[in-house]
Amino acid sequence: SQTIHQWPATLVQPVGSPLSLECTVEGTSNPNLYWYRQAAGRGLQLLFYSVGIGQISSEVPQNLSASRPQDRQFILSSKKLLLSDSGFYLCAWSVDMLNTEAFFGQGTRLTVV
Amino acid sequence: GENVEQHPSTLSVQEGDSAVIKCTYSDSASNYFPWYKQELGKRPQLIIDIRSNVGEKKDQRIAVTLNKTAKHFSLHITETQPEDSAVYFCAAKKVGGGADGLTFGKGTHLIIQP
Repeated sequence: SQTIHQWPATLVQPVGSPLSLECTVEGTSNPNLYWYRQAAGRGLQLLFYSVGIGQISSEVPQNLSASRPQDRQFILSSKKLLLSDSGFYLCAWSVDMLNTEAFFGQGTRLTVV
Repeated sequence: GENVEQHPSTLSVQEGDSAVIKCTYSDSASNYFPWYKQELGKRPQLIIDIRSNVGEKKDQRIAVTLNKTAKHFSLHITETQPEDSAVYFCAAKKVGGGADGLTFGKGTHLIIQP
């Protein structure tokens, strides 16, 4: 069966520090991968999606970047965190563009102080 | 791009009563409408979905209705139970139009009063 792993679960980082969140999927090949951010009272906002290794699309301009170095690995990064980067970050995967259900990771609670 | 509006932001109902959450979308090309449930501190999980070729879908105590002309869809929960308390998100997507992700509403915090 397929599983998605996301870590760390919680993270407190100072303003200006770098960020690296990692997400891996097991049990499937060539998944579509997504990073969402959930800010308080704002729902789930799509940040990045990827259809394959090295292929990243950004939905909104921001202080973050994403990379997909391997088929089932998706990384969210920042060189310098801002206070506004605080939120709950969720990685998700789906089988392919014709399939619909998105499966979410456990999420990372990021607090920038 | 797609824009999804969700109402209400908070809904409190008595245990056993019904709850209805409503969403509207802007892109008439969207053809897939899922609902996710997120319990406190946990990941969102799909509870029911509907495609644009169907007007209504039911799964035990939950149902979703879709009005393509008006571009709105609703989640109905009957005989609510304490374990229904959670945040519910609606979403919209054009399947087959690209690999971009779901556009979510802002969520509804459903509170079931004992």
